[in-house]
Amino acid sequence: DAEITQSPRHKITETGRQVTLACHQTWNHNNMFWYRQDLGHGLRLIHYSYGVHDTNKGEVSDGYSVSRSNTEDLPLTLESAASSQTSVYFCASSEAGNVYEQYFGPGTRLTVT
Amino acid sequence: AQSVTQLDSQVPVFEEAPVELRCNYSSSVSVYLFWYVQYPNQGLQLLLKYLSGSTLVKGINGFEAEFNKSQTSFHLRKPSVHISDTAEYFCAVITNNGGFKTIFGAGTRLFVKA
Repeated sequence: DAEITQSPRHKITETGRQVTLACHQTWNHNNMFWYRQDLGHGLRLIHYSYGVHDTNKGEVSDGYSVSRSNTEDLPLTLESAASSQTSVYFCASSEAGNVYEQYFGPGTRLTVT
Repeated sequence: AQSVTQLDSQVPVFEEAPVELRCNYSSSVSVYLFWYVQYPNQGLQLLLKYLSGSTLVKGINGFEAEFNKSQTSFHLRKPSVHISDTAEYFCAVITNNGGFKTIFGAGTRLFVKA
C-alpha cells in the first residue's frame, strides 16, 4: 500500500547540532509539506514543495531548510537546533491536482536539550 | 491575515449523545475548510472538507459539518458518538491566494464517556 513515512520517530539532540528529519511518500504526490505541532498552536506550516527542485517558505520557516531532489522525499534540516524547536514534526503530501487534500505521516518527536 | 478559533479546548460527552465542535475563522480571501482527527501518537486524518458547492458536507465516521459564510463558521457535528471517537479534532483553513497558507485551530479534545 502507498504510504508516507517519517524517520526517526523520536530524536533527542543538543543545542547547536544539525538535525535532519526524513519524510518519504510512495503515492507519487507532487506536493509535500512540513508542519510543527505545539501545545496551544495547532499545526504551523514550516516549508512546502510543489515538485522537484521547488521549495517555499511557510509561516515559521526561520531556522529550517528543505530540499527536493526527487518526488518521494522532502527532508527537513535544522541547521543549528535550538530549544525552541522542540516539537512534534509532521510531514504531509497531496497530489498535483488536489493540493488541499493532504495526507499526514505519523510524526517525529524532536527534543532539543 | 487568516485565523481559526476553536471555541472549546475540551468537550466531554456521553456515549451515544450528539456532539458539536465549534470552529470560527476570519479571512479576507476565499478559503477552503477542513476538519482533521488525530488519535494519540498518530498523524492527522482528514475527516471532511469544504471546497465549494453544498454547504453541508459529510465525512467519514458519521461526521458532518456546515459551512456558514455569514457567520464564518464551520462547526463539526455527529448525531451519536462512540467511545472510539475520543481524539483531538482540528479545524483548518487553507488559502492559495498569493501563496499557499494553512492555518490550523488549536484543537478540541473530544472525550467520550461510557
